[in-house]
Amino acid sequence: DSGVTQTPKHLITATGQRVTLRCSPRSGDLSVYWYQQSLDQGLQFLIQYYNGEERAKGNILERFSAQQFPDLHSELNLSSLELGDSALYFCASSEGGGGSPLHFGNGTRLTVT
Amino acid sequence: DAKTTQPTSMDCAEGRAANLPCNHSTISGNEYVYWYRQIHSQGPQYIIHGLKNNETNEMASLIITEDRKSSTLILPHATLRDTAVYYCIAYNYNAGNMLTFGGGTRLMVKP
Repeated sequence: DSGVTQTPKHLITATGQRVTLRCSPRSGDLSVYWYQQSLDQGLQFLIQYYNGEERAKGNILERFSAQQFPDLHSELNLSSLELGDSALYFCASSEGGGGSPLHFGNGTRLTVT
Repeated sequence: DAKTTQPTSMDCAEGRAANLPCNHSTISGNEYVYWYRQIHSQGPQYIIHGLKNNETNEMASLIITEDRKSSTLILPHATLRDTAVYYCIAYNYNAGNMLTFGGGTRLMVKP
């Protein structure tokens, strides 16, 4: 158990809809990262937050947004969903923004129909 | 970050050592080598990392060549539960880079 909690585990929704994925980092970790894993793309970095502030951005679509709250949990919002957004979404946390190892949750599997 | 090259797949007999190679011939002096694994769609799991020296922890050993152009992850006594995709990543976190996963090696541990 990595200590990172993601909810929900599974989500099925229709195209055009909006969903929110939630992540609780390990106790004491200040950094939260979001990754997307689809069959044809592998693990892709989306965005990182450190202590409530956006720290780095990857290939995150404009339809997607995230935030980290004062209690350090994070949410990833996906809107105007398309079939291609179907994927596993992983959250990870680390102590800081440096080379601390990332600890991943077990992901949210999103299916867009 | 330096590109890493790993074999697509490997087999290992249960109880034997699994040696997973990684080539990172363009690695720079500030780039660390990290290893993660992913067991069947679970979240990736950190294994070990190092810069120059060999490293060992309760999960594995990391051997980095003197010229740092390649490394080997060693699982000393592989079990069926070690069947997973293993990712070797070279990156410089001080440069603000993010951990970028490639294709990895699919290790199959067989009874």
